[in-house]
Amino acid sequence: GAGVSQSPSNKVTEKGKDVELRCDPISGHTALYWYRQSLGQGLEFLIYFQGNSAPDKSGLPSDRFSAERTGGSVSTLTIQRTQQEDSAVYLCASSLEVGLDVSYEQYFGPGTRLTVT
Amino acid sequence: GESVGLHLPTLSVQEGDNSIINCAYSNSASDYFIWYKQESGKGPQFIIDIRSNMDKRQGQRVTVLLNKTVKHLSLQIAATQPGDSAVYFCAENMAQAGTALIFGKGTTLSVSS
Repeated sequence: GAGVSQSPSNKVTEKGKDVELRCDPISGHTALYWYRQSLGQGLEFLIYFQGNSAPDKSGLPSDRFSAERTGGSVSTLTIQRTQQEDSAVYLCASSLEVGLDVSYEQYFGPGTRLTVT
Repeated sequence: GESVGLHLPTLSVQEGDNSIINCAYSNSASDYFIWYKQESGKGPQFIIDIRSNMDKRQGQRVTVLLNKTVKHLSLQIAATQPGDSAVYFCAENMAQAGTALIFGKGTTLSVSS
């Protein structure tokens, strides 16, 4: 079956513009995660969704970052008034479900490479 | 702080050798550990995981060892192949904080023929 897909694969934007990044999780996966990966670095957690709600937004770096998920499926990560330090690869992952004492494998998409000029 | 790190940023091996990639974690409350492989231009790919109630788990050509006493995790790749060349990340999950994975910075494995 299809894996996690993300669009666009690459996005170049000017400083100060808003951008929207899209993630289509694997069908049936209730949990969805957003991570950010800067050049040569590990992945930095941003936010996760269980269904349409986001119990953990602690990783969002500033109030310019927001995310939503509708219908328990597609998610959009929005960055307002982009800054050069926002340049990174934004990765989305999904898993079957989430629970305090249970962890399930997270399947990653290919990422969106964002460049802010 | 709560972080997962790797001992070496790069590792170079010959084809056919066994590779060992190490990782140290700092949070003793972590109960789930995962190794991911990331090839250039792609998202991380799950390799193997282990829970804190185990100290060893084997997959196909890969073995993960967990030493909770010293908070150390390792990934062993048997008979390393050129296709194994990638960046390898360890990650931990702290049940109390939900399921967000905390990743280390990665080790770049280069396999030469």
